[in-house]
Amino acid sequence: DAKTTQPTSMDCAEGRAANLPCNHSTISGNEYVYWYRQIHSQGPQYIIHGLKNNETNEMASLIITEDRKSSTLILPHATLRDTAVYYCIAQTGANNLFFGTGTRLTVIP
Amino acid sequence: GAVVSQHPSRVICKSGTSVKIECRSLDFQATTMFWYRQFPKQSLMLMATSNEGSKATYEQGVEKDKFLINHASLTLSTLTVTSAHPEDSSFYICSLQGVATNEKLFFGSGTQLSVL
Repeated sequence: DAKTTQPTSMDCAEGRAANLPCNHSTISGNEYVYWYRQIHSQGPQYIIHGLKNNETNEMASLIITEDRKSSTLILPHATLRDTAVYYCIAQTGANNLFFGTGTRLTVIP
Repeated sequence: GAVVSQHPSRVICKSGTSVKIECRSLDFQATTMFWYRQFPKQSLMLMATSNEGSKATYEQGVEKDKFLINHASLTLSTLTVTSAHPEDSSFYICSLQGVATNEKLFFGSGTQLSVL
């Protein structure tokens, strides 16, 4: 499974877009990029995943670079409830996901 | 709606006792479930993979005799922390796999175990 690198922490103003970067330069062709988040004292919540194409759902957008070595999770209009630790994971399948340290996003009023 | 039900959400026990944590799949039959552990200010660590009808697969460093996993049905997996000690105090989280292998994992709400 490819190693991912994320900033330790980020701040974002409420109502603005939150852009969370992830580097996965050793990703292989059959590895997906998954994003999960964990709000304090809760189980992780699935956000989005993709292989090559950009993806969008009701929660977020995932932008994957053409060489697939990095990606960005975009929360279009951050709210206080989006404060959480965001995990970027690159793996071939969703089974037994291995979590790194993630990015602690703080949305500021 | 919730896909995974995990109980209890919080448990406090005395050292030496055993604690059972249940993880139920509400929406579909889950042949595979995963158990994670998370210490304060740390990331989730995979403990074991639970397969229905067979023995669980444990990650390196996780004692199978201490953390007993039973996956007797397609909708229920249990984790029993036997002879709990204060160092077992942690946040335990179960998850189950979707129908397709590249699909998302669904996570329980977690169990905060405190051993006195």
